Amino acid sequence: DTEVTQTPKHLVMGMTNKKSLKCEQHMGHRAMYWYKQKAKKPPELMFVYSYEKLSINESVPSRFSPECPNSSLLNLHLHALQPEDSALYLCASSQYTGGGSSPLHFGNGTRLTVT
Amino acid sequence: DQQVKQNSPSLSVQEGRISILNCDYTNSMFDYFLWYKKYPAEGPTFLISISSIKDKNEDGRFTVFLNKSAKHLSLHIVPSQPGDSAVYFCAAGNQAGTALIFGKGTTLSVSS
Repeated sequence: DTEVTQTPKHLVMGMTNKKSLKCEQHMGHRAMYWYKQKAKKPPELMFVYSYEKLSINESVPSRFSPECPNSSLLNLHLHALQPEDSALYLCASSQYTGGGSSPLHFGNGTRLTVT
Repeated sequence: DQQVKQNSPSLSVQEGRISILNCDYTNSMFDYFLWYKKYPAEGPTFLISISSIKDKNEDGRFTVFLNKSAKHLSLHIVPSQPGDSAVYFCAAGNQAGTALIFGKGTTLSVSS
């Protein structure tokens, strides 16, 4: 079982909907991440939170809005998405943002379909 | 431009034989390298890592080799097992705190 829990596992939403993806970890990690993965592509970084503060935003469109309510939780709020935003959204955490020296622990992802 | 490259999309190996997965990188600022394994419908799972101060790291059946001068690393799995069939991602990072950069992945199929 993964130690990073993501809900929901699957989400279908229309382009005018507002929805949220949720992520939770209880490993005491202080860095949390959102990645997006399209089929046959590597995970692409979207956001990094370090000690509950947004430290990296990889020029993600504003229709994606991250939130870190506390050190264990990470949300991704979705609004007015496009069909091309359909993908697997992966949450990850690490002990700290040490780049390679602090391995990421991934959740199983939310499979998002935008209709 | 891709900073981490896995040029072989797929690899097929017989059970019991060695699997060798390769990865090349272009950014000399990378000082830490990791391999992740991904099964369908699951998130990537950390497998093994190596620091740029080493040229080899071993963990059970898995060994990672790093050749800094060639900017190349490889993952050796010996002996390969059918349960090793998965997509393997190479990733590179920097102690300064930049996020990991992933390669496109290699799909390993181990037949019994």
